[in-house]
Amino acid sequence: DAGVIQSPRHEVTEMGQEVTLRCKPISGHDYLFWYRQTMMRGLELLIYFNNNVPIDDSGMPEDRFSAKMPNASFSTLKIQPSEPRDSAVYFCASSPWTGVNSPLHFGNGTRLTVT
Amino acid sequence: GDSVTQMEGPVTLSEEAFLTINCTYTATGYPSLFWYVQYPGEGLQLLLKATKADDKGSNKGFEATYRKETTSFHLEKGSVQVSDSAVYFCALREYGNKLVFGAGTILRVKS
Repeated sequence: DAGVIQSPRHEVTEMGQEVTLRCKPISGHDYLFWYRQTMMRGLELLIYFNNNVPIDDSGMPEDRFSAKMPNASFSTLKIQPSEPRDSAVYFCASSPWTGVNSPLHFGNGTRLTVT
Repeated sequence: GDSVTQMEGPVTLSEEAFLTINCTYTATGYPSLFWYVQYPGEGLQLLLKATKADDKGSNKGFEATYRKETTSFHLEKGSVQVSDSAVYFCALREYGNKLVFGAGTILRVKS
C-alpha cells in the first residue's frame, strides 16, 4: 500500500499563473477529498468525490478553483489564475467506504507559494 | 452545523508529563469521533477513533473516551515523549461523509 500520493511536494509560482496539483488515491478507495490548510483558517474541505463524481464543492473558494477526477486513480486541483492568498498546503485524502467509522488517509500535501 | 472546538495551543510539556487536550463537539446526529496527528512536513494520520458513547479509543499510549453527555472527546496520555511533538486534530464524521476538523493543537515536548 503506497498511500495517497501527491505531486508536486512544493510549488512556487507567480501571481496570475495556472497551478495544477495532482493526487493518486489509494487503490480501491471510493472517496477522494481535497483540503486546504492555512494558519489563519486551519483545515478547510474544498471538494470531495465519490466514484469519480463531485459530490460537494461548496468549499471551493471561487471560480478560479476547479477539480476533476477523470478516473479512479487520479485527481487534479487547478487554480487559474493564482493569487498570493492561495498560498497554503493542499492535502488530498481518500477513504474506502461511506461508513462514518471510516477514517481518511492523507497524502503528504503540496505546499503552494504564490508570489 | 457540525463543529469541533479544541483547546488553543501551543501546549508545552516536559518529557514524561501528563497530557490532556480538550475537545468538544456539536453535531446534529450521532457522529464518529477521531483524533488525527500531523508531524512536521507530513499529512494527517489517524491516531484513534470512537464510534459510540462510552467507547474508548486508544493507540500508542494515547486515549480518548466518547462522552455523549458532555459532547467531549478529550485526548490524554500518561507520559509524553519528545517524539509526540506534533499538531493534534480532533474531528467528527456524520452520515454526510464530511470530516469536520477542529483548529488543531500544537504540542511541544521538551527533554
